[in-house]
Amino acid sequence: DVKVTQSSRYLVKRTGEKVFLECVQDMDHENMFWYRQDPGLGLRLIYFSYDVKMKEKGDIPEGYSVSREKKERFSLILESASTNQTSMYLCASTVSSYEQYFGPGTRLTVT
Amino acid sequence: QKEVEQDPGPLSVPEGAIVSLNCTYSNSAFQYFMWYRQYSRKGPELLMYTYSSGNKEDGRFTAQVDKSSKYISLFIRDSQPSDSATYLCAIPDRGSTLGRLYFGRGTQLTVWP
Repeated sequence: DVKVTQSSRYLVKRTGEKVFLECVQDMDHENMFWYRQDPGLGLRLIYFSYDVKMKEKGDIPEGYSVSREKKERFSLILESASTNQTSMYLCASTVSSYEQYFGPGTRLTVT
Repeated sequence: QKEVEQDPGPLSVPEGAIVSLNCTYSNSAFQYFMWYRQYSRKGPELLMYTYSSGNKEDGRFTAQVDKSSKYISLFIRDSQPSDSATYLCAIPDRGSTLGRLYFGRGTQLTVWP
């Protein structure tokens, strides 16, 4: 059974903090994605990665960076958290077909 | 213009109703169309996909594509409270071999008993 896990379900951070969100998949997928989901705006792609140490910007990369040191793990980093980064963050992976497998999401609140 | 447009609703229907969820898309070259379902506090999961035009049926769910008008639909027959979720249409980026998808904003559906 496919599995994508995210390090936290809920997270509260203060403005200016550095925040790490981690995602792990056990399916040996090459491609991994980070989205944020906001009411009325839907899923927006932040970054994606197609191999270890490889990354591509999505539609809204500003204020975020990513790291992929191992195939199964993809981290999203908020260098200096701001209140407008309060959101639901979803990680997904895929082998190269069109079905993406999503994690349960991390609800991040920045105060 | 966004690649995929979807009315976010919300949509509220009584149990047993027929539900119609819709998206429009911009690129006539798109050929593969998907619907994801997302329950509250969970990640989206693939519900159905169709290739090119026509209908595809899976139990109470029917996915339909009208390429002439660039319109895709998901119909739910005999809707149940367990169908309450957000439904997202998605289309693969044809220029990408990396599995990137364009998502609609999602329609929040509530089926009340």
